[in-house]
Amino acid sequence: DAGVTQSPTHLIKTRGQQVTLRCSPKSGHDTVSWYQQALGQGPQFIFQYYEEEERQRGNFPDRFSGHQFPNYSSELNVNALLLGDSALYLCASSLLRSDTQYFGPGTRLTVL
Amino acid sequence: AQSVSQHNHHVILSEAASLELGCNYSYGGTVNLFWYVQYPGQHLQLLLKYFSGDPLVKGIKGFEAEFIKSKFSFNLRKPSVQWSDTAEYFCAVNANNFNKFYFGSGTKLNVKP
Repeated sequence: DAGVTQSPTHLIKTRGQQVTLRCSPKSGHDTVSWYQQALGQGPQFIFQYYEEEERQRGNFPDRFSGHQFPNYSSELNVNALLLGDSALYLCASSLLRSDTQYFGPGTRLTVL
Repeated sequence: AQSVSQHNHHVILSEAASLELGCNYSYGGTVNLFWYVQYPGQHLQLLLKYFSGDPLVKGIKGFEAEFIKSKFSFNLRKPSVQWSDTAEYFCAVNANNFNKFYFGSGTKLNVKP
């Protein structure tokens, strides 16, 4: 049973560019949440998707957007990248209203 | 807004020493509490969780945590640590729903063999 997978593993972009990160949830899970983990910090909630809609959102600007596909996989898009967007981006999947989230290995984004 | 504080950023212990990592949260309502662990090179894994009932919860690998509502705390403990416990530990809280987590900044535990 595959767990949560994310791609790519690492990514280097320059300021002003756009990036798309991908996540495949654990088999059977229908809800995907995205987190940003800056160096030395804990994960911060970006948003959550269920039934292809954004259900909840953290304190992140509109430059951060997402999408969920019918197969429950998800994308995180970040426009107009800033140096401060450099971080590990984590995807977590769960069943809606479940008490447990399963995390993927993350995508390390470096903005130069 | 909810927040989670982990007071110890870096802890160094020798094997067989006892461990206690502090976690405090700020939220006046009902909360669910979690400890996650991230071993070197691995992704976040659930260590234990508290929803209701007995405030002393036991997790994997001999870890336990105690919820003290009056102190807004959920400290993680282990009587005797092993070198393999070297990892980063995160306390997390959610409220009102199950899927939006607030994480602390983490505590890096280094166990010397």
